Amino acid sequence: NAGVTQTPKFRVLKTGQSMTLLCAQDMNHEYMYWYRQDPGMGLRLIHYSVGEGTTAKGEVPDGYNVSRLKKQNFLLGLESAAPSQTSVYFCASRGTSTDTQYFGPGTRLTVL
Amino acid sequence: AQSVTQPDIHITVSEGASLELRCNYSYGATPYLFWYVQSPGQGLQLLLKYFSGDTLVQGIKGFEAEFKRSQSSFNLRKPSVHWSDAAEYFCAVGARAGGSYIPTFGRGTSLIVHP
Repeated sequence: NAGVTQTPKFRVLKTGQSMTLLCAQDMNHEYMYWYRQDPGMGLRLIHYSVGEGTTAKGEVPDGYNVSRLKKQNFLLGLESAAPSQTSVYFCASRGTSTDTQYFGPGTRLTVL
Repeated sequence: AQSVTQPDIHITVSEGASLELRCNYSYGATPYLFWYVQSPGQGLQLLLKYFSGDTLVQGIKGFEAEFKRSQSSFNLRKPSVHWSDAAEYFCAVGARAGGSYIPTFGRGTSLIVHP
């Protein structure tokens, strides 16, 4: 049972490049979340999903897009990366019968 | 909108000493409250949570937290700290939104443990 996994673990981009971060969970959870973590800022919610085919904006959605085509996967896309998007990105999932979020190990992204 | 304040950016304690990490929240209704721990290079792990009932909540790794509505606080405590407790600690407050669950995290408190 892998829980929540994130791909890749590290990535370096140049300004203007695009990329997609993949989050996968094998717990059949309905809810999935994308956060970014910056020094001294805690975790801030980017987007979330309450089920397959649905997405919603969080606190800091600008510059990001998401998709939830399959229940087990939640993709975070950066269409044109900016240095301000340098951060550590965490994915989390939660089932309907629990209010506990399970977090992935994170993706460290650097935009030059 | 809800918010969380963790007033201490860093806390330094000696191994074996007691610990209290502060958390204050702002929320219009009865909050859902959480404490998470993050070890270096790792994701977040839930220590404990409060939804209702007994205001003293027991968690994993010997941690406990007390919900005090009058003070809008949810402080985390441990009677005797171990070196392995050195980590970043996050308090979070949760609000339901149309059936989903939207938590807001504090900025974190970094715990340093001296031998």
